[in-house]
Amino acid sequence: ETGVTQSPTHLIKTRGQQVTLRCSSQSGHNTVSWYQQALGQGPQFIFQYYREEENGRGNFPPRFSGLQFPNYSSELNVNALELDDSALYLCASSTRTGGLETQYFGPGTRLLVL
Amino acid sequence: KQEVTQIPAALSVPEGENLVLNCSFTDSAIYNLQWFRQDPGKGLTSLLLIQSSQREQTSGRLNASLDKSSGRSTLYIAASQPGDSATYLCAAQGGSEKLVFGKGTKLTVNP
Repeated sequence: ETGVTQSPTHLIKTRGQQVTLRCSSQSGHNTVSWYQQALGQGPQFIFQYYREEENGRGNFPPRFSGLQFPNYSSELNVNALELDDSALYLCASSTRTGGLETQYFGPGTRLLVL
Repeated sequence: KQEVTQIPAALSVPEGENLVLNCSFTDSAIYNLQWFRQDPGKGLTSLLLIQSSQREQTSGRLNASLDKSSGRSTLYIAASQPGDSATYLCAAQGGSEKLVFGKGTKLTVNP
């Protein structure tokens, strides 16, 4: 148990729809990162939030957006869903200490786009 | 751009065998190197984190080494057990604090 929770666990959407995934970080962790893991691949960095501000973004289009809230929860929003968005979405929380921290991952949300 | 490669992609061994998983990275300017375990359909569990100034870390039957100059890390698992069956991922963390992952090694330990 990492103390990081994600909801929902599974989700089915159709192309063109919008989806919101949620993550609750460990208490006191001021940094949350989101990753996309396609089947058979390693996780790919989407973006990171630090103290409610976006702090780094991977190679993902603007239809992937996020929010971080003061209560250590965060959201990943994806608009205009495409079939290739089908993946396991992972959030990870940490306390920024100059790159020496362990990131604690949640169990993930599996998204299927039909 | 950091790239992380893991070899082999899959490995099947009999119970009790010692084994080594390999990870290589292209940019040696890393803050740390982490090894994770992922069970099917599940999230990631952190196993070991090696800071850039360290050479190795140990936890129980696991030992991870780091050679920044050659861009390599290895995860050594001693006396493997069926419960060790999972996918093992390594990830390099650089200045942006994002993790760059390899594709993983799928380990099967046969009773």
